[in-house]
Amino acid sequence: DIQMTQSPSSLSASVGDRVTITCRAGQSINNFLHWYQQKPGKAPRLLLYSASSLQTGVPSRFSGSGSGTFFSLSISSLQPEDFATYYCQQTYSTPHTFGQGTNVEIK
Amino acid sequence: EVQLVQSGAEVKKPGESLSISCKGSGYKFTGYWIVWVRQMPGKGLEWLGTIDPSDSYTYYSPSFRGHITISADKSITTAYLQWSNLKASDTAMYYCARHQYSSSHFDYWGQGTLVTVSS
Repeated sequence: DIQMTQSPSSLSASVGDRVTITCRAGQSINNFLHWYQQKPGKAPRLLLYSASSLQTGVPSRFSGSGSGTFFSLSISSLQPEDFATYYCQQTYSTPHTFGQGTNVEIK
Repeated sequence: EVQLVQSGAEVKKPGESLSISCKGSGYKFTGYWIVWVRQMPGKGLEWLGTIDPSDSYTYYSPSFRGHITISADKSITTAYLQWSNLKASDTAMYYCARHQYSSSHFDYWGQGTLVTVSS
């Protein structure tokens, strides 16, 4: 199985801050890396796919980069609705593994 | 509008069987795979398996193979996740999602079905 390791596991930030979450894969996954947002009691929502492609309807303050084994998700100016848990996921090989999640909390 | 609507919450006893469903609408059901994802209480996301509704070809995570069955009925655009012998450790929220072939991401998600297994 390909292990996905996110950093940090949690962070506190203020509205307007720039936030970056990283995701490291245990082996190269090309760009089969996707980011999801989950709010309490809700289903996950796709934010970015193929490392850097923004899903339709997702605000442009979200961006992604990386390839191979190291990836990042950035939020340029954190908004109140962005406080949530973020997961990376690889679909390069099965089982399609997720990172452990990063909880973004209000400072 | 693409929608995946899941069946309601279930409470079962250990050893019982269960089937939960996921009905797709607003798109060509046989044109996309369907996946099932587990989220245990307070924990992260785990992929269980994927089915191609066009031919019911299915592949499973090794961690869950043999304990669950994924199926689909394309005539009613519905996928299923089934257990024949529930355990307390199956207590979790289960999500279905649409799995895009091209980039292999999960683009639309159901609302989730909470399964509680308790004696």
